[in-house]
Amino acid sequence: DVKVTQSSRYLVKRTGEKVFLECVQDMDHENMFWYRQDPGLGLRLIYFSYDVKMKEKGDIPEGYSVSREKKERFSLILESASTNQTSMYLCASSPTRNSYEQYFGPGTRLTVT
Amino acid sequence: GQNIDQPTEMTATEGAIVQINCTYQTSGFNGLFWYQQHAGEAPTFLSYNVLDGLEEKGRFSSFLSRSKGYSYLLLKELQMKDSASYLCAAMDSNYQLIWGAGTKLIIKP
Repeated sequence: DVKVTQSSRYLVKRTGEKVFLECVQDMDHENMFWYRQDPGLGLRLIYFSYDVKMKEKGDIPEGYSVSREKKERFSLILESASTNQTSMYLCASSPTRNSYEQYFGPGTRLTVT
Repeated sequence: GQNIDQPTEMTATEGAIVQINCTYQTSGFNGLFWYQQHAGEAPTFLSYNVLDGLEEKGRFSSFLSRSKGYSYLLLKELQMKDSASYLCAAMDSNYQLIWGAGTKLIIKP
């Protein structure tokens, strides 16, 4: 079974803090994704990566950055957290670029106060 | 622009059949996906359609009409555990998934 793990299920941070969300997959997948999920808006793509040290902006990259130093690990960084970044963050992976199934981690519910 | 539309919420009775509709507009098309998401959990893959027609998988079936930009997910013999949100997503020409906001399905005894 593919396993995607995220470093925290729940996180509370203060405005202005730097926040790191970690994601690890154990199936040697090439692709990794970071989404945020908000009520009524569906999943929105923040950043994705097709290879180590490679990153591409998604639909809403502002206020975020990512790092992929190893194939299995994809980190999302909030440089200076703001209250409008309070959300559920979901990491996903898929085997290759045109793979149709994405495997999701359990999510991190981030609250910024 | 790219857009996915699906109903916000539906209610059905245990043992019955329910159809969740989805319409999409994307730049190019590489398939239509359905995911199930229970409250507080990660989405899990249900089905994938790239050709017109019906794909059946147990109690769940998914239909696609590419010319109409339309898909539906059909759930038969509803069980209480089917209470969840159902997410429709279309893959565009860049192999990116465009997601709908999800349909919350409530099953009543």
